[in-house]
Amino acid sequence: AQSVTQLGSHVSVSEGALVLLRCNYSSSVPPYLFWYVQYPNQGLQLLLKYTSAATLVKGINGFEAEFKKSETSFHLTKPSAHMSDAAEYFCAVSARGFQKLVFGTGTRLLVSP
Amino acid sequence: EAGVAQSPRYKIIEKRQSVAFWCNPISGHATLYWYQQILGQGPKLLIQFQNNGVVDDSQLPKDRFSAERLKGVDSTLKIQPAKLEDSAVYLCASSLEGRADTNEKLFFGSGTQLSVL
Repeated sequence: AQSVTQLGSHVSVSEGALVLLRCNYSSSVPPYLFWYVQYPNQGLQLLLKYTSAATLVKGINGFEAEFKKSETSFHLTKPSAHMSDAAEYFCAVSARGFQKLVFGTGTRLLVSP
Repeated sequence: EAGVAQSPRYKIIEKRQSVAFWCNPISGHATLYWYQQILGQGPKLLIQFQNNGVVDDSQLPKDRFSAERLKGVDSTLKIQPAKLEDSAVYLCASSLEGRADTNEKLFFGSGTQLSVL
């Protein structure tokens, strides 16, 4: 079985500051890991995904995430936050390369001017 | 490219009533998912279709929830009778073949927000 834990239901940063959203996973098989973003009244949108090709994954909008097997982590980062980054972010895991996703509880990112 | 279409956008019903949600996936997508997202939680998979066949409905409360995907295109999700705890956003998603080890993407609709009073 697979699961993910997102630490912190809310994260607040100032515009221009580093964004760090934490995700730890549990999986009995090599996982595929994902970060999705959800803007108000919109569907979930894929930011990036890890499929074992490279441990550092670059996504859209300047986000990246690093897969660390020893720490069972897949934290999402962005060097400089923008006001438009304010949204809900979900970490997700799947097994065996399929898109049947198990989501975390989400982290709401708040960006202040 | 048209996205995943869902309707209605909002629905308010009283407990013990029935309700249905509709999803039109992206053209050509064989795999269709229904997720339930309760406020403050991440989406939870209810059912997965591959064309018009059910692949996984292990988390679907079958005593009250049902879903179908006739002709392998549009899908409907029904709740009968509804309970207070069914209040949630119901998300539909689709992808070409349901694989994550290729470049194919999973596309989500905007969801149907259900309030059960």
